[in-house]
Amino acid sequence: GEDVEQSLFLSVREGDSSVINCTYTDSSSTYLYWYKQEPGAGLQLLTYIFSNMDMKQDQRLTVLLNKKDKHLSLRIADTQTGDSAIYFCAETTGGFKTIFGAGTRLFVKA
Amino acid sequence: GAVVSQHPSWVICKSGTSVKIECRSLDFQATTMFWYRQFPKQSLMLMATSNEGSKATYEQGVEKDKFLINHASLTLSTLTVTSAHPEDSSFYICSARDPSGKYEQYFGPGTRLTVT
Repeated sequence: GEDVEQSLFLSVREGDSSVINCTYTDSSSTYLYWYKQEPGAGLQLLTYIFSNMDMKQDQRLTVLLNKKDKHLSLRIADTQTGDSAIYFCAETTGGFKTIFGAGTRLFVKA
Repeated sequence: GAVVSQHPSWVICKSGTSVKIECRSLDFQATTMFWYRQFPKQSLMLMATSNEGSKATYEQGVEKDKFLINHASLTLSTLTVTSAHPEDSSFYICSARDPSGKYEQYFGPGTRLTVT
C-alpha cells in the first residue's frame, strides 16, 4: 500500500544546514511535496518536485529525489529560528490522492 | 499563489450538536476539494474527496453519515460534523486542487473543533 515515512525529530543550530529525509513506497508517485506547518496553523507548501526530476533548488531550499530508492530529502541552508516547525513530506499518487508522512519536527537552537 | 479560506477558524460546541465548517477557494474554481483531519502531533488523515456537483468519496473508516460533505459550487465545500462527540475534537483542514492541471493542492488554515 501507499506509505510515506520520515523521521520525527531534528534539532540543529542556527546557521547550520538542516536535512529532512523521507521515503515513500508508491512508484506511481507523480509529484512529491514538502509542506511546513507552524503551531496551530494550516499547511504551507514549501516546494514540490515532479517525479522525473532529480533536484530542485529554490533559494535556501534544495530538494533531492532518488527515484530508484524512493527517497526524498529537503535541505534548508542557513537554518533560522523562524524555520522551527513541522515539515511534512507528501506524495500524490496516480489516483490523485495525497499521502502525508507523519511530519518531522525541526527545532532550531539559537 | 491560490488562497483557500476556512470558516470558522475555531469552534467549541456541546456534545450532541452539529457543526458546519466551510472551505472556500478565493481566487480560483475548484472542482475537487479534500477534507483532512489532524490529531495533535500527528499527520493529516484524508477523510474524503469532495467533488462539485456529485457525492463525496469517503476514505475507509470514515462515517459518511457523521461527516456530511457538500460541494454545491466551484468555490465552496462544507463539512458538517453531526451529533458531535468529544472524540470528534480535532483540527480539520481542507484543501483545493489547482485547476490548471498541476497536482498541487492549496490548504486552508484549518478549523479547530472542540466538543465539550
